Amino acid sequence: DTEVTQTPKHLVMGMTNKKSLKCEQHMGHRAMYWYKQKAKKPPELMFVYSYEKLSINESVPSRFSPECPNSSLLNLHLHALQPEDSALYLCASSPVGTARGEAFFGQGTRLTVV
Amino acid sequence: QQQVKQSPQSLIVQKGGISIINCAYENTAFDYFPWYQQFPGKGPALLIAIRPDVSEKKEGRFTISFNKSAKQFSLHIMDSQPGDSATYFCAASALMGKSTFGDGTTLTVKP
Repeated sequence: DTEVTQTPKHLVMGMTNKKSLKCEQHMGHRAMYWYKQKAKKPPELMFVYSYEKLSINESVPSRFSPECPNSSLLNLHLHALQPEDSALYLCASSPVGTARGEAFFGQGTRLTVV
Repeated sequence: QQQVKQSPQSLIVQKGGISIINCAYENTAFDYFPWYQQFPGKGPALLIAIRPDVSEKKEGRFTISFNKSAKQFSLHIMDSQPGDSATYFCAASALMGKSTFGDGTTLTVKP
């Protein structure tokens, strides 16, 4: 299984809603990431988890809250988002160590904030 | 400060032709250089990657050329096919998973 699975595929939420994005991988990877991608732009790194611990936070606003319940799961909790947060949210995973940088991406969640 | 510059922004190639996308980087600490292919509505997929201890890597129709002294690397797609039409991102990594992406190249292969 070489897949990173993200749910939901599409999400529309109001600015006062609370929602969560979910990501799962069963490749035994110990590094997991959240990226945000705007149309016609490259992915922007948001968070990195290494061995279930948050190792990088790219100065992301607190309305985005990541969580890594175990080595296979990664969540992104959303609260009080703004319309400009509408984007494709990508989860990725990679082995730690020898394959540094070799990230496998999920299909993404297309988020629309209304 | 953009650390990875990618060109061209868009590229149109005839079927069977060679597609060439170039990237230049500034940070000499980068030591891993992947290329990703992304189709509309999908996540990026790792296509091919190279480390700076080799000057070229080939996988099927895809070849990365790497010039460490010039801090440049490029992707060559031989015998380009309409199915190769996608956005291609180069990237560079110095720390675990913290990749810096180029701005992307939209490739269109005309039949």
